[in-house]
Amino acid sequence: EAQVTQNPRYLITVTGKKLTVTCSQNMNHEYMSWYRQDPGLGLRQIYYSMNVEVTDKGDVPEGYKVSRKEKRNFPLILESPSPNQTSLYFCASSPTRLEDYEQYFGPGTRLTVT
Amino acid sequence: SQKIEQNSEALNIQEGKTATLTCNYTNYSPAYLQWYRQDPGRGPVFLLLIRENEKEKRKERLKVTFDTTLKQSLFHITASQPADSATYLCALDGDSWGKFQFGAGTQVVVTP
Repeated sequence: EAQVTQNPRYLITVTGKKLTVTCSQNMNHEYMSWYRQDPGLGLRQIYYSMNVEVTDKGDVPEGYKVSRKEKRNFPLILESPSPNQTSLYFCASSPTRLEDYEQYFGPGTRLTVT
Repeated sequence: SQKIEQNSEALNIQEGKTATLTCNYTNYSPAYLQWYRQDPGRGPVFLLLIRENEKEKRKERLKVTFDTTLKQSLFHITASQPADSATYLCALDGDSWGKFQFGAGTQVVVTP
C-alpha cells in the first residue's frame, strides 16, 4: 500500500531533551516536507526537500533540523525542544512531475513538550 | 509570503445542498492552487488542483474555480452528503519551488 508513515504517533517529552520524528514513504517520491499544525493557524511548513541531500527552509524552521540521506526517509530533529513546539506534525511527500505537487500526508505525530 | 484567508466559521449545510467555500490570498498570484480534505486527527487528503490559466476544474461532485483578478478560489460541493463533513484546506505554491502555504481551513458540517 502506498503510504507515508510517521513514528512515533504520540510523544510527550521534557524541555531540552533531543528527539527525532521519523518519516518514510514507499512511493519513490522526490519531494518531502514537514508541517506543523496549530489551532487557528493551519499548516505551516517547517522544512522541505526536493531530493536527496537537498533541503530548504519553510516558513517556520527555527528550532528544527532535517536531513535527507535516502530518498524514502526524511526525519525531523528537535535538538532542544521547547513548549512552543508542542503541536501536531505532519510529513508529506510528492512526485515532482511538472507542477503536480499533489502531496500525500502521513497520519501525524502529536508532540507535547512540558 | 502569502496571507491566505478561509472562512473560520463552520459552514452548516443541509444534505443535498451545495456547499461553497472561499479561499482568498493577498499577494502574488500562485501558479496553482490545491484543495485538501482533513478529517479530525488525520492527515490532509488531496482533492483537486487548479492552475492559474484554468478557470474551473471538476471532479465528481466537486468544483473549483480560480479567479486571479479577485485573488480568490471557490470550492463547491454539490449534492452534499453527511460523509462530506470535514475541514477543507486550500494551499498555494510559495515564492520558490517546493514552498507551500496553507489556509487555516473551513469546517463543513452536513446534516441529514
